[in-house]
Amino acid sequence: SYELTQPLSVSVALGQTARITCGGNNIGSKNVHWYQQKPGQAPVLVIYRDSNRPSGIPERFSGSNSGNTATLTISRAQAGDEADYYCQVWDSSTEVFGTGTKVTVL
Amino acid sequence: EVQLVESGGGLVQPGGSLRLSCAASGFTFSSYWMSWVRQAPGKGLEWVANIKQDGSEKYYVDSVKGRFTISRDNAKNSLYLQMNSLRAEDTAVYYCASELVTDAFDIWGQGTMVTVSS
Repeated sequence: SYELTQPLSVSVALGQTARITCGGNNIGSKNVHWYQQKPGQAPVLVIYRDSNRPSGIPERFSGSNSGNTATLTISRAQAGDEADYYCQVWDSSTEVFGTGTKVTVL
Repeated sequence: EVQLVESGGGLVQPGGSLRLSCAASGFTFSSYWMSWVRQAPGKGLEWVANIKQDGSEKYYVDSVKGRFTISRDNAKNSLYLQMNSLRAEDTAVYYCASELVTDAFDIWGQGTMVTVSS
């Protein structure tokens, strides 16, 4: 089965840039989606199809995908960006989520 | 308002059964694939199952095959998950979710907690 690997945690200083990676075999050939989840809340889609932002998601959130790594970038990080982030792809008729990354804003 | 509301969670003994429901409103339920996604306490997201608009196709994660059954009633705008032979490792918050505008899960319910314990 397909696996997606993310770093356990990422720390970023307030106002700086955080990059969260999502590793998978030839993930560049797939559409990657990203979700933000805050404690006690349902996940929220922040990036779909590698680099597209849903309505209402700030431009500070961006994404890229190439080779074996997809990346979610949070620019000008704010305290409210502190959350868990998950990547996700569709593979062989199943949906696969990454292992998740906790983002801490210092 | 587009909304998904799950219900049916609770405490069940190992080996027991439980049926989860997800009530949809604010969109044409019969036009969309629907999924169940779960999250064990302190753990990550895990996709469980999905079902095509007319119920003709269903897919499951390996760990629940043969034990869980996803179904839907388009006349009632409702999604279901019948869970049998429950195990401690099935303990999780169960979310229903769908892909309305994008081809990602852009709508989620608030979740319902399932605890499998004696």
